[in-house]
This record gives sequence, C-alpha cells and structure tokens, in this order.
Amino acid sequence: DAEITQSPRHKITETGRQVTLACHQTWNHNNMFWYRQDLGHGLRLIHYSYGVQDTNKGEVSDGYSVSRSNTEDLPLTLESAASSQTSVYFCASSEGAHTEAFFGQGTRLTVV
Amino acid sequence: GQNIDQPTEMTATEGAIVQINCTYQTSGFNGLFWYQQHAGEAPTFLSYNVLDGLEEKGRFSSFLSRSKGYSYLLLKELQMKDSASYLCAVMDSNYQLIWGAGTKLIIKP
Repeated sequence: DAEITQSPRHKITETGRQVTLACHQTWNHNNMFWYRQDLGHGLRLIHYSYGVQDTNKGEVSDGYSVSRSNTEDLPLTLESAASSQTSVYFCASSEGAHTEAFFGQGTRLTVV
Repeated sequence: GQNIDQPTEMTATEGAIVQINCTYQTSGFNGLFWYQQHAGEAPTFLSYNVLDGLEEKGRFSSFLSRSKGYSYLLLKELQMKDSASYLCAVMDSNYQLIWGAGTKLIIKP
C-alpha cells in the first residue's frame, strides 16, 4: 500500500543547530507540503512543492528550507533551530489541488 | 485577511447528532475540506465541498453555502471513536489551503 512516512517521530535539539526532518511518499504524488501545528492555531504552511526541482514558500517559511530532488522526498531543514520552532510538523502529499491530502504521522520537534 | 472560524470545543452524547460549524472569509474560494484528527495522530480526509448543498457519506455529512461563507459537518449516531478534532480548511484563489484551528469534539457515554 502507498504511504507517506516522516522521520524522526520525535526530536530534541539545541538552539542554533541545523535539523533536517525527512518526508517520503510512495503515492507518486507531485504535490508535497510541510505544515506546522501549534496549539490554538490551524495548520500553517511552511513550504510546498508541485514537482521535482519546484519549491515555494508558504505562510511561515522564515528559518526553514526544502529541496525536491525526486518525486518521493521533501526534506525540511531548519537552518538554525530556535525555541519558536518547537512544534509538531506534518508532511502531506496530494495528487491535485482539489483532491484529498495524505498526511504523515508527524514529527514532534523540541528546541531547547 | 483570511480567516476560518470554528468553535474550539463541543461536547455531545454517544448515539446523538452533532453539528460543527465553520465560517470563512478568504480571498477567493476553490473548495472546502473537512478533516478528522485524533489526538497525537495525523489528519485524515472526511469530505470536500465545492458546490452549495449537502454531501452525505455514511454517518457524516457536510454542507456548504458559498454565499454565506459557511459550512457545517454533521455527525450522526455518534460513537466514542468520533472523539477527535475536526479541521475545516478552505482552498483560496491561489489554491492554498487555509486551515481553521479545529474543533475538539468530546463524546460522553
């Protein structure tokens, strides 16, 4: 069965360190997204990609970067982790704009 | 600005019916989604509405009124496993999803 997986599921890191969160999907979807979810807020879009070599900034992209070198993977990098980036991060993929998105199980990141 | 409003929390009784409302103000409209999210888990798709009216899918139904910027999710014959957060999301004119903060639904026996 096709799936979307994130790793690690939990991560604790120190302020100032670079961190990369992995996202891998086997749906063969062109569209991939990274969101963060914080209490009291809806999911907020960090970066998204509509295909290989395509990346775009979302609503809260400062301090984050992504790369899309193949269809399956969209790693999210925190260049220099800050306490404000403590959150739950979700990766998602979809076939098209009007179709359902499939979400990974999430990564809980704590920056100390 | 763009805004999605949902009640923060609702409580209902097992076997009953509950309606979760969502109002939105967005730059353009290309459809409205409802997702379910159990605590500590990923959101999962429930429904998609792009035209006015009611879409029924088993115990769950979703309604849309574009002129009123309003949608609701109706859950019938509530079961304990329906305890979860319900997320409303609107696709704007740039095909970006704008998400509400979610409604936490508590089901009591």
